[in-house]
Amino acid sequence: GNSVTQMEGPVTLSEEAFLTINCTYTATGYPSLFWYVQYPGEGLQLLLKATKADDKGSNKGFEATYRKETTSFHLEKGSVQVSDSAVYFCALSDRSNFGNEKLTFGTGTRLTIIP
Amino acid sequence: GAVVSQHPSWVICKSGTSVKIECRSLDFQATTMFWYRQFPKQSLMLMATSNEGSKATYEQGVEKDKFLINHASLTLSTLTVTSAHPEDSSFYICSAYRGPDTQYFGPGTRLTVL
Repeated sequence: GNSVTQMEGPVTLSEEAFLTINCTYTATGYPSLFWYVQYPGEGLQLLLKATKADDKGSNKGFEATYRKETTSFHLEKGSVQVSDSAVYFCALSDRSNFGNEKLTFGTGTRLTIIP
Repeated sequence: GAVVSQHPSWVICKSGTSVKIECRSLDFQATTMFWYRQFPKQSLMLMATSNEGSKATYEQGVEKDKFLINHASLTLSTLTVTSAHPEDSSFYICSAYRGPDTQYFGPGTRLTVL
């Protein structure tokens, strides 16, 4: 079956530091890949996504590249801010059932940015 | 992005009682909604897929008689935890499917069973 393995947290960084959160996946077929973010007290929000190999998703300074050869989708940001403190989830979508796509999530990584 | 609400946001109940959680898609019609369960410091686990006008599809290991799902309209799905027990205490999250690779999540409902 499908699975997502995500870097364990928590991760604590100083403001303006470089961020990498690792994510690897196992899937049959060609899934879409996502990063979701959950701010305190809020629901999950889509941060970025990529739907095919070598695609790069980007948003709010975050980037992730769909690497089929290494089955990875690592999240990066060059300079983090305090407002980036949240829990980040890597996920994949089973596209074999169009219109009823199921998401498989990683365990989430709690990120704390200190001023 | 689109807005999905959940009600209540937090509920405490006694063991043996039933609890209903509502999930509403506020600004689009969703023929499909998903229900997830999240344990502390763990991932979201898909419980079931809710389809408007038909029976829900449950994931392996999820008791359909315990977790009743009703998708009565294109904007509302409900999850009823029947005869709740302390081990049912968890964070329940719904999402509404809008199109390929597009789901919008509710803020979640924390259930505590005493």
